[in-house]
Amino acid sequence: DTAVSQTPKYLVTQMGNDKSIKCEQNLGHDTMYWYKQDSKKFLKIMFSYNNKELIINETVPNRFSPKSPDKAHLNLHINSLELGDSAVYFCASSQEGLGETQYFGPGTRLLVL
Amino acid sequence: QKEVEQNSGPLSVPEGAIASLNCTYSDRGSQSFFWYRQYSGKSPELIMSIYSNGDKEDGRFTAQLNKASQYVSLLIRDSQPSDSATYLCAGGYGNKLVFGAGTILRVKS
Repeated sequence: DTAVSQTPKYLVTQMGNDKSIKCEQNLGHDTMYWYKQDSKKFLKIMFSYNNKELIINETVPNRFSPKSPDKAHLNLHINSLELGDSAVYFCASSQEGLGETQYFGPGTRLLVL
Repeated sequence: QKEVEQNSGPLSVPEGAIASLNCTYSDRGSQSFFWYRQYSGKSPELIMSIYSNGDKEDGRFTAQLNKASQYVSLLIRDSQPSDSATYLCAGGYGNKLVFGAGTILRVKS
């Protein structure tokens, strides 16, 4: 069974479009994260939710809006996509947040044309 | 600004040698450090976590932490070609991890 899953795996879209990425974890964890990994492989946290509550909101354009309908799901909606949004987006989860192992999903490779 | 710095490499070692990966961090506030391995096109996976000064060993891997020098390292003994990957160092700050840019390791057979 996949612990942390993301859909879609690949996403190719035009500038200006709106798209969503979905994440689900079946580990029973309380905390979920969104990370962005750019072309230089630099992995940076964007958002974190603990039990559906937003606890980390880094300096991210407000075109990015996370939503957690329940503690097993964390979605990311991106409005008005820009070329610079092209990256790999990873979802992760952990039991209680920092200090606990974070388990990463397979990533969503977003290409904005 | 909390920063974690790593030499991007690539670090090349022969099969069977010890690979030494290093990481420094700028903020003494971090109490926890992590090493993740990421194969090309895959997601990061945790190798080691370390919270106190000294060494922590797990199989062929040893993590070392020196809080006075703000320095974390990962030693991989008996390096194998399958160890070739990018190794990400991360420091824990509050509720989040701050990652370094990663070091590419190449183990040549």
